[in-house]
Amino acid sequence: KNEVEQSPQNLTAQEGEFITINCSYSVGISALHWLQQHPGGGIVSLFMLSSGKKKHGRLIATINIQEKHSSLHITASHPRDSAVYICAVRRSGGSNYKLTFGKGTLLTVNP
Amino acid sequence: GAVVSQHPSRVICKSGTSVKIECRSLDFQATTMFWYRQFPKQSLMLMATSNEGSKATYEQGVEKDKFLINHASLTLSTLTVTSAHPEDSSFYICSAARGFEETQYFGPGTRLLVL
Repeated sequence: KNEVEQSPQNLTAQEGEFITINCSYSVGISALHWLQQHPGGGIVSLFMLSSGKKKHGRLIATINIQEKHSSLHITASHPRDSAVYICAVRRSGGSNYKLTFGKGTLLTVNP
Repeated sequence: GAVVSQHPSRVICKSGTSVKIECRSLDFQATTMFWYRQFPKQSLMLMATSNEGSKATYEQGVEKDKFLINHASLTLSTLTVTSAHPEDSSFYICSAARGFEETQYFGPGTRLLVL
């Protein structure tokens, strides 16, 4: 079993829909990252969380440390949100910021 | 701020040749840089971690003599794929971290195709 599991693997939505992507992990962590990878391959860091909730524009990320679970929400989705969303965790006590990645969720938003 | 560039963005080479990929932090000093490899439809896999002025730490299964990493300054790290073979064809991504924060800043990636 992977240390970081994401669901769903693939998600197709209509423009305007509310989207949720889930991430569960099985190790103690000091931080969790949500990343966005566009078709060309470039990666953008969306959020880094260690507790609670963060919001940036239409994106919201939450984390429940006790349940070892995080969610990424997109409100009023748009075709330009189509990308792979990746959850990554930094283990507690880890050095050099080493991250363990989930396999990603491919989101397609249709107009 | 916190922009990371990679060069080249795409490279095609013949089997047996060596390829160098550069990773630069453009507007900050990166105490640590990371090199990842990503095969199609797979997650990023960490290859090695490098700190300026010291030897890179390679992940298990990554050949350090094949994937040479040099982190000569706080803004530049290079990955050289020596004697490249078709199975080395992949997407190589670097990231950089500043000393005082946990966020990694990712480069745009380099797509390597070995014929």
